[in-house]
Amino acid sequence: QAVLTQPASLSTSPGASASLTCTLRSGINVVTHGIYWYQQKPGSRPQFLLRYYSDSNKQQGSGVPSRFSGSKDVSANAGILLISGLQFDDEADYYCMIWHRSAWVFGGGTKLTVL
Amino acid sequence: EVQVVESGGGLVQPGGSLRLSCTVSGFTFGDFWMNWVRQAPGKGPEWVANIKNDGNGRNYVASVEGRFTISRDNSKNSLYLQMNSLRAEDTALYYCARSPPGGSVGYGMDVWGQGTTVTVSS
Repeated sequence: QAVLTQPASLSTSPGASASLTCTLRSGINVVTHGIYWYQQKPGSRPQFLLRYYSDSNKQQGSGVPSRFSGSKDVSANAGILLISGLQFDDEADYYCMIWHRSAWVFGGGTKLTVL
Repeated sequence: EVQVVESGGGLVQPGGSLRLSCTVSGFTFGDFWMNWVRQAPGKGPEWVANIKNDGNGRNYVASVEGRFTISRDNSKNSLYLQMNSLRAEDTALYYCARSPPGGSVGYGMDVWGQGTTVTVSS
């Protein structure tokens, strides 16, 4: 089982909100991990969106709008990236990441389609 | 302006070696953990290795342990990745990425270069 599991795809509409999940493997507790989120558009390098550990310990990437926000669903053992007021320009691949056993580990990514 | 520029990629035969370089500007290189991250065609990013700001700590993904060596020269604002015993599965775009200070190894990666392509093929 992968360390981090993300839905392969998600389709939404402009103006709506999208909730992207990143589920940690059983035995890896989301409570004790910072969750990092990256956006990648075709042909471009990944861009850091935000880091979320808790509401009092989080960091927005430079220039990243506040409509991108992070949270955790402890009951589901998952990190969440919430994107509100979706725009066509938000169409991209989104990756989560954690530090686990002396290694940075990425999730498989979610392809977000806005149409 | 913060800049990260990779170089050294190319075509190499299986079993061969290659040395990647990353030169940075616009920030105090010696204050940051640095990383190599790769991305195979059509796949997601995969972290490869990181190195502590003073060069005295390193971590590697299991698949490259013993074959790749990360190093840095703070006097030259440069990061390196020596890749030996290359395999077809090492074919990827290799990014150099900075970790902002925090935690034990920095807080993820906040600045990425444009990448350099490594192709392992006969």
